Amino acid sequence: EDKVVQSPLSLVVHEGDTVTLNCSYEVTNFRSLLWYKQEKKAPTFLFMLTSSGIEKKSGRLSSILDKKELFSILNITATQTGDSAIYLCAVRTSYDKVIFGPGTSLSVIP
Amino acid sequence: KAGVTQTPRYLIKTRGQQVTLSCSPISGHRSVSWYQQTPGQGLQFLFEYFSETQRNKGNFPGRFSGRQFSNSRSEMNVSTLELGDSALYLCASSPGLAGDSYEQYFGPGTRLTVT
Repeated sequence: EDKVVQSPLSLVVHEGDTVTLNCSYEVTNFRSLLWYKQEKKAPTFLFMLTSSGIEKKSGRLSSILDKKELFSILNITATQTGDSAIYLCAVRTSYDKVIFGPGTSLSVIP
Repeated sequence: KAGVTQTPRYLIKTRGQQVTLSCSPISGHRSVSWYQQTPGQGLQFLFEYFSETQRNKGNFPGRFSGRQFSNSRSEMNVSTLELGDSALYLCASSPGLAGDSYEQYFGPGTRLTVT
């Protein structure tokens, strides 16, 4: 059965800290891995990764995929209170299925 | 460009009733996906439509159905509602085919409460 696992499920850090969120997956016919940030309602897109070893970067956020070991990490440097959210990892398969992980709830305290 | 819109935003229904939710994708987007989000199960894929055809379906009973119109707007229907159907239903649109790794844009969701 296809599955996506995220760790940790919950994290509390202080402003300025650097955090690493993990996502591992077991799916048939992997197509791409996506990271989303969900604050109150709808998830907002962060990154889409399809190739191993190529880092995607956007400001203080970066992500990389390892297709051999079947995982991805999302890094956030110099965290701010506005980074508090649930971070969702999802994997899309070639059969057009999307499987979401349970999410990591990040709380950044001043 | 206007974002993905969903109507209604909130809905309260009783067990046994049916409900229809609507999603209008971003202009030019041809793919619409539906998701159910609950505290216990997280975000789960329901189905995806592209060019009025259902591309794939998640593991949900046949009470959950959908369709897409020629203007790419999509509707989702749930019949014989159960208490466990209470959830946030999210719709997401993307420019192209589901399997081509297009970025998805989510709507604000419809909060359905079944009493």
